Amino acid sequence: KAGVTQTPRYLIKTRGQQVTLSCSPISGHRSVSWYQQTPGQGLQFLFEYFSETQRNKGNFPGRFSGRQFSNSRSEMNVSTLELGDSALYLCASSLDGAGNQPQHFGDGTRLSIL
Amino acid sequence: GENVEQHPSTLSVQEGDSAVIKCTYSDSASNYFPWYKQELGKRPQLIIDIRSNVGEKKDQRIAVTLNKTAKHFSLHITETQPEDSAVYFCAASNRQAGTALIFGKGTTLSVSS
Repeated sequence: KAGVTQTPRYLIKTRGQQVTLSCSPISGHRSVSWYQQTPGQGLQFLFEYFSETQRNKGNFPGRFSGRQFSNSRSEMNVSTLELGDSALYLCASSLDGAGNQPQHFGDGTRLSIL
Repeated sequence: GENVEQHPSTLSVQEGDSAVIKCTYSDSASNYFPWYKQELGKRPQLIIDIRSNVGEKKDQRIAVTLNKTAKHFSLHITETQPEDSAVYFCAASNRQAGTALIFGKGTTLSVSS
């Protein structure tokens, strides 16, 4: 079974631009969560989608948004990029986001803002 | 919402020693506590998890303990090896209620031979 796939792996943008990151969960998984990882801050929760609905949201500004499609693939969008948005963005999928189902992570997208 | 504190932020041990990482959580409704290991340049990997109906769980050299009253849980690694060197993250959530999985800031474990 293929794991969680994130594209692209690396991205370089400049301030003010916008970016879209993609995440394909493990086949059959319906929950997708997004995290921002920066040195010293660990994994900061952005949002979680389940069955095309945003179920949970972290404390990030409205410039960060996401969506989930009917095939469970998810995208996150960051508009008006700032230097501080440089980070590794990880997504994780789980079967249904409840009960005894662990989350499995992708390799992440490394976003660099110049 | 849930808040998870993790200590220490860095931990250095000699090969063969034990390592202990501690986490506290704020939401008494949290009932699922996984631990992830992230090696340099790689994705976080689940190494062990525990649910609130269990006080301790072991898997070979790794064990996790949970104290629901005090709202803290710990990761214990015995007979450490250089390949145990990585960043370890604890997390907490109420999965039955569908709350988000919130992570601690991580512990960088260095095992020297």
